[in-house]
Amino acid sequence: GAVVSQHPSRVICKSGTSVKIECRSLDFQATTMFWYRQFPKQSLMLMATSNEGSKATYEQGVEKDKFLINHASLTLSTLTVTSAHPEDSSFYICSFTSAPAQPQHFGDGTRLSIL
Amino acid sequence: AQTVTQSQPEMSVQEAETVTLSCTYDTSESNYYLFWYKQPPSRQMILVIRQEAYKQQNATENRFSVNFQKAAKSFSLKISDSQLGDTAMYFCAFMKIYSNYQLIWGAGTKLIIKP
Repeated sequence: GAVVSQHPSRVICKSGTSVKIECRSLDFQATTMFWYRQFPKQSLMLMATSNEGSKATYEQGVEKDKFLINHASLTLSTLTVTSAHPEDSSFYICSFTSAPAQPQHFGDGTRLSIL
Repeated sequence: AQTVTQSQPEMSVQEAETVTLSCTYDTSESNYYLFWYKQPPSRQMILVIRQEAYKQQNATENRFSVNFQKAAKSFSLKISDSQLGDTAMYFCAFMKIYSNYQLIWGAGTKLIIKP
C-alpha cells in the first residue's frame, strides 16, 4: 500500500517556539493533502485541505496564521505551528490522496507537547 | 450537510468471536464512498475496507466485511474470528464524489478483543 512518512513523531518544546511537521508520500504523487488534529479519545478534526501549488483551504475556526501549511510538491507537505502555546498540544496527522475516490493514506502522526 | 454516526462508543468481545460495529450516515447524495479505518494504540490510521455506493455487492477483505444498506443509510463492519491485534479505535467515514476528497468522520468505536 501507499506509504506516507511523517516526522517528527514526537516534539516537546517550550511555549513560543515554532514547530515544523513534515509529511512525505514515498511511493505516489499526492494531488491533495489534509492536515488533521486529534484530541484524546476523539475523532479526527480536519484543519485544512490543499492541492499541490495552491494555498491551503482552512476549516472554520482554524487560524491560518498560526498553522502554516505549505504543499510544496506532489510528495511533500509541511505544517508549521507558529509561536506554539500549551493549548496547541495535540496529535497532528497528515494524509494524502492521489486520485478521485481513492482512500486517504495517513502518516503515523506527530504528538506535539508545548510546555 | 453529511453526517456520520457511530452509536457504540466502546465494545468488547472474546478472541475468535464475531463482532459488528454500526455506522449510519445522512446524505442527499446518490453516489459516494464509505470507508472503515482502524486506529490501533500506535495511532496510525489504517484503511480496513472501502465501499462504493453504486455497488450493491458488499465489500469484503479477508475477515472484514460490510453490510451496506443504502436505503437505510447504514454501513456496518463485521469482523469475523476476531484477533487480539484487532483491538483499536474504528472510524467510519463518508466521502462525497466530486468533493475535494474530504472525509466526514464518525466519532469512533473503541473495540477491545479479550484473550
